[in-house]
Amino acid sequence: EAQVTQNPRYLITVTGKKLTVTCSQNMNHEYMSWYRQDPGLGLRQIYYSMNVEVTDKGDVPEGYKVSRKEKRNFPLILESPSPNQTSLYFCASRKTWVSKNIQYFGAGTRLSVL
Amino acid sequence: SQELEQSPQSLIVQEGKNLTINCTSSKTLYGLYWYKQKYGEGLIFLMMLQKGGEEKSHEKITAKLDEKKQQSSLHITASQPSHAGIYLCGADLYAGGTSYGKLTFGQGTILTVHP
Repeated sequence: EAQVTQNPRYLITVTGKKLTVTCSQNMNHEYMSWYRQDPGLGLRQIYYSMNVEVTDKGDVPEGYKVSRKEKRNFPLILESPSPNQTSLYFCASRKTWVSKNIQYFGAGTRLSVL
Repeated sequence: SQELEQSPQSLIVQEGKNLTINCTSSKTLYGLYWYKQKYGEGLIFLMMLQKGGEEKSHEKITAKLDEKKQQSSLHITASQPSHAGIYLCGADLYAGGTSYGKLTFGQGTILTVHP
């Protein structure tokens, strides 16, 4: 079954404690990205990757890091989480960055930073 | 202002009623996607529209793309409680540049269906 898998689904942490949210896709997609969803602000892109070892900033990259060492994995790293990073996070993948191909989303990771 | 505006923001209907959700873009649409989200959960892909005038249907849900108006509509016929959730339109608004592959999303429409 084609899917995007994120872990963990729920995470509560404290300010400053480094964390990683993992993301894996089994569709051999080149393009992967991270979004955060906040009430009133909708979905905003954090980082994206067009292929292995190619990553770039999205609209709201501050406080986040990513890496793309393998095609299937695209972890999101919060080196020093702060309360304003409390949000619902989604990993997504699509075949390529070119328009008119479907973007598939993971089930989401709900993060609370105390 | 939003690049992608959805209306209405919320909708409450009685089971069996028809309803329409609209999505209007301020930029050229290179691809339009409809997703459904249960509260706090992932986005489930519904339909992709690529060309002006295109119309797609799945079960009781029909989506249309009016490229000239830069607008799409999602129509649900004979709504059921299982249709309840948040409907999001997403669009490819950029042919390339600094926003490779990014989908821009509307704010979402919260649909409640009363039995």
